[in-house]
Amino acid sequence: SQTIHQWPATLVQPVGSPLSLECTVEGTSNPNLYWYRQAAGRGLQLLFYSVGIGQISSEVPQNLSASRPQDRQFILSSKKLLLSDSGFYLCAWSVWGYGYTFGSGTRLTVV
Amino acid sequence: GEDVEQSLFLSVREGDSSVINCTYTDSSSTYLYWYKQEPGAGLQLLTYIFSNMDMKQDQRLTVLLNKKDKHLSLRIADTQTGDSAIYFCAESVASNYQLIWGAGTKLIIKP
Repeated sequence: SQTIHQWPATLVQPVGSPLSLECTVEGTSNPNLYWYRQAAGRGLQLLFYSVGIGQISSEVPQNLSASRPQDRQFILSSKKLLLSDSGFYLCAWSVWGYGYTFGSGTRLTVV
Repeated sequence: GEDVEQSLFLSVREGDSSVINCTYTDSSSTYLYWYKQEPGAGLQLLTYIFSNMDMKQDQRLTVLLNKKDKHLSLRIADTQTGDSAIYFCAESVASNYQLIWGAGTKLIIKP
């Protein structure tokens, strides 16, 4: 069966520090992968999506970046965090027509 | 452009039925989804309906789709305290793999 792993669950980082959040998928090949941010526990904002290794599309300009070094691995990074980067980050994967499967999320607090 | 709208809050008494409504604008939607998010957790796919269907029932959940009015609803029968969560409506469009998300409806259960 397909599973998605996202870690860490919570993270507290100082302003200006780097960030690396990792997401891995098991049980499927060539999934579409997504990074979302959810601010204030409500709406979802699509940050990045990827349809294949090395293929990253960015939806919003920001100081975050994403990479897909392997088929089932999706990484969200930042060189220098801002206070406004605080939020709940969700990784998801999809296969056409079957919706998204989400990871359990990472609560990032930038202090 | 594409848009999905939901009411922000719904309050119901335990044991009553909850009806969460959603409207969308893209007439080329292929699938429509309902996701549930419990506090501090990722989103969980509850159910989905293909755009050529009018209704789908799964135990306590009933999804109704009015394609003419671009209206989707989720009915939860015999609402329980465990149903407290934010419910997201989402549509997929034929042109890509992405979902268009509503802002979420927070379901509040009164004893």
